Parts: sequence; C-alpha cells; structure tokens
Amino acid sequence: GAGVSQTPSNKVTEKGKYVELRCDPISGHTALYWYRQSLGQGPEFLIYFQGTGAADDSGLPNDRFFAVRPEGSVSTLKIQRTERGDSAVYLCASSLAGTSGQETQYFGPGTRLLVL
Amino acid sequence: GNSVTQMEGPVTLSEEAFLTINCTYTATGYPSLFWYVQYPGEGLQLLLKATKADDKGSNKGFEATYRKETTSFHLEKGSVQVSDSAVYFCALGKGDFGNEKLTFGTGTRLTIIP
Repeated sequence: GAGVSQTPSNKVTEKGKYVELRCDPISGHTALYWYRQSLGQGPEFLIYFQGTGAADDSGLPNDRFFAVRPEGSVSTLKIQRTERGDSAVYLCASSLAGTSGQETQYFGPGTRLLVL
Repeated sequence: GNSVTQMEGPVTLSEEAFLTINCTYTATGYPSLFWYVQYPGEGLQLLLKATKADDKGSNKGFEATYRKETTSFHLEKGSVQVSDSAVYFCALGKGDFGNEKLTFGTGTRLTIIP
C-alpha cells in the first residue's frame, strides 16, 4: 500500500516568508508525528497528533511554528516569518494508534526547506 | 529528559567485517528502543526494535539487545555487505502523554568497502 507522502519535496523561500508543508499519512493511521532533521543530526520531535488533536506539541521551537490536522488525516505544518535557522528536512511519520508505546512509526521522504 | 548517545562516525569497514555501533540512552521509566536506517536517497526505515529489557531485536542479519543494566542498545552484524552502507540512527520511544515520540541519536554513517 501507499506509504507516508510529503509535499513539496523541496521548498526554497526567502527569510520572513510563510511556508506550508503537507503530510499524507498511511490510510487508517490515527497517530501522526512531525520531526525536524538538521544537517548531520538526528531527527528532533516537533509535534504529535492523535486524531485531529495535537496531543503533544512540546517540541515546537517557538510560536512561529504551528500544525493542524483538521480531519484526522492530512496534516499541514505552518511556519511564519521564516528564518535561515529553520532550514532543515521536515519529516512526517504515522503509526496505527500511537498509544501502545510499542508501535512502529513509518516515515515519509521529508520536505527539504531552505530559507535564503 | 530523554537522550540517546550514539557512536560517532563515520565508520568504514571492509566487506564481511564485524560491525558494532554503540548506543546508550538516558530515560525515565521503560522506553522502547529502535534502530532506524537511512539508505542513500531514501527515507528513514525501521531496522529493528526492542520493547522491554533483555529483548533482542533482529532484522537483515543485524541484532541489538535491550540492556537495562547498562542502558545500552548496541547494533551488531557479523558480516557486513556493501549494501549495508547507510546512516544508522539509534532512538528511544517514550512520550509524556501516552504517545511514543522518538528521541534520536546523531546518526552513524557506515561505509562498506568491497
């Protein structure tokens, strides 16, 4: 079946602009995660959705970052007033339920964001 | 808070050599432990996992044992192949809200020479 998909695959923007990154999870997966991976580092957790609600947003770096999942499927990560330090690969992952503590997260290919 | 310390790379080995990539963790409670792999040009894939102490995860000839007494989850393979060249990430899964957010190490780049 189809895996996790993310669009766009690459995004180049200018400092101060607004960007939206989209994630399509695996069908039927209620848990959705966003991570950010800077060059040479491991992914860092940003936010976790269980269904439509953001159950854990403790990883969002500041209030310029916001994410939604209005219908419990597709999610959009929104970044306002982008800064050069926001340049990274943004990864989305989904899992079946997310609450068992033992589930596998399936990752998308990522969106590579470059802020000039 | 939770953290993962992973052996720094890059690591270069000859084909058929024995591989160990060290991973230790700090966490409260009982996290799940994972190894993810990122092949060139591809996304992160789960390689193996272990969910409780003394469990051994295995896949594609790789193994790792969840050692609570040493808070470690070292990755091993007896005979590596060129196709194993990739970046390997150790991770622990434990969230504060019943979820399993992953905390990753910095990754180890492995190159296997024929």
